[in-house]
Amino acid sequence: GAGVSQSPSNKVTEKGKDVELRCDPISGHTALYWYRQSLGQGLEFLIYFQGNSAPDKSGLPSDRFSAERTGGSVSTLTIQRTQQEDSAVYLCASSRNGQETQYFGPGTRLLVL
Amino acid sequence: TQLLEQSPQFLSIQEGENLTVYCNSSSVFSSLQWYRQEPGEGPVLLVTVVTGGEVKKLKRLTFQFGDARKDSSLHITAAQPGDTGLYLCAGVMIYNQGGKLIFGQGTELSVKP
Repeated sequence: GAGVSQSPSNKVTEKGKDVELRCDPISGHTALYWYRQSLGQGLEFLIYFQGNSAPDKSGLPSDRFSAERTGGSVSTLTIQRTQQEDSAVYLCASSRNGQETQYFGPGTRLLVL
Repeated sequence: TQLLEQSPQFLSIQEGENLTVYCNSSSVFSSLQWYRQEPGEGPVLLVTVVTGGEVKKLKRLTFQFGDARKDSSLHITAAQPGDTGLYLCAGVMIYNQGGKLIFGQGTELSVKP
């Protein structure tokens, strides 16, 4: 079966532009997570969706970051007015519920010039 | 402030040597996981340890969870070039709902033939 997929694989944008990153979780997984990985660093939690519950947004670094999950499946992470410090790999993960193994996608490499 | 301190951050060794990677925290975790990440890919789960003092073995890899569930170690015996990669520890905090993972900074391991 298909794993977690993310698009685009790479994104280069100019400072100040908005970007949208997409995540397709494993079918049937109710939990979806977004993480950010800066160069040579571990992963930093951003946001968590579980079913129809209100998302846990506690990791979003600023109000320029937002995410939505439509129909309990696909999720989009939006970064408005991008800054150079937003350059990182954005990873999405899904799990069967909020307590089981998280499966990660390959990530979107974002470079803000 | 890093909640999970992982060390060393970089390790370059010769094939056949042994090595240990450490993850330490002042916080208690309900479980701790170890991941391996290859370039251009997302992290892949190696093992989850749940019980204080627990030891798990995966071929040449030995994982241990501290008695107080605040620290963990990964020991690799007779390292091989195929072990090269980024190793990440990640913890699930006590009372955390949703399985949000707290990651260490990662250990970049290079095993030279």
